Amino acid sequence: ETGVTQSPTHLIKTRGQQVTLRCSSQSGHNTVSWYQQALGQGPQFIFQYYREEENGRGNFPPRFSGLQFPNYSSELNVNALELDDSALYLCASSLETRTGELFFGEGSRLTVL
Amino acid sequence: AQTVTQSQPEMSVQEAETVTLSCTYDTSESDYYLFWYKQPPSRQMILVIRQEAYKQQNATENRFSVNFQKAAKSFSLKISDSQLGDAAMYFCAYRSALGGGAQKLVFGQGTRLTINP
Repeated sequence: ETGVTQSPTHLIKTRGQQVTLRCSSQSGHNTVSWYQQALGQGPQFIFQYYREEENGRGNFPPRFSGLQFPNYSSELNVNALELDDSALYLCASSLETRTGELFFGEGSRLTVL
Repeated sequence: AQTVTQSQPEMSVQEAETVTLSCTYDTSESDYYLFWYKQPPSRQMILVIRQEAYKQQNATENRFSVNFQKAAKSFSLKISDSQLGDAAMYFCAYRSALGGGAQKLVFGQGTRLTINP
């Protein structure tokens, strides 16, 4: 069984640029969610996709957007990067069930200069 | 909105001893789930233990157990026989059990646990 994989593991961008982060869900999982974890903080929920549709969003501006593909892989896009976007971005997949456990990837660390 | 608070930024314990990490939460819901996650330097969040709010019995997973006090909105994690591999950041998290919508986890700020040999 393949776990959740994310790419790239590290990247550096400059303010104003755009970034795309990718996530491959665990086999058989139809739900993916993204979290932002600033240094020294707990993760914060960005949004969740279920069967290619966004079905929940946290307190993040519209320049944070996402996609989920038919194979349930996912992308997180961030436009007009700001210094405060520097963080670890975690992807988690699950089965959309009442008790579905979330399985996390190792994250993509984004540094905005 | 739900909130989760971990009041201990750092904890340390001697190897083989027992340590308890604290967590409190605030919610108006009656049905929810509580979790403890471990985040080692590899950064991957690993589920340690889960508690369903409707269950009165405290969850146990090998050396890990919780003390769930629903009325007090308290959810502490006890690690027995601490091992060097237990060193990590530990996060307490809340998730609503309401049907439909996102499986959103609300995390606390984390507790860094150090194991002294």
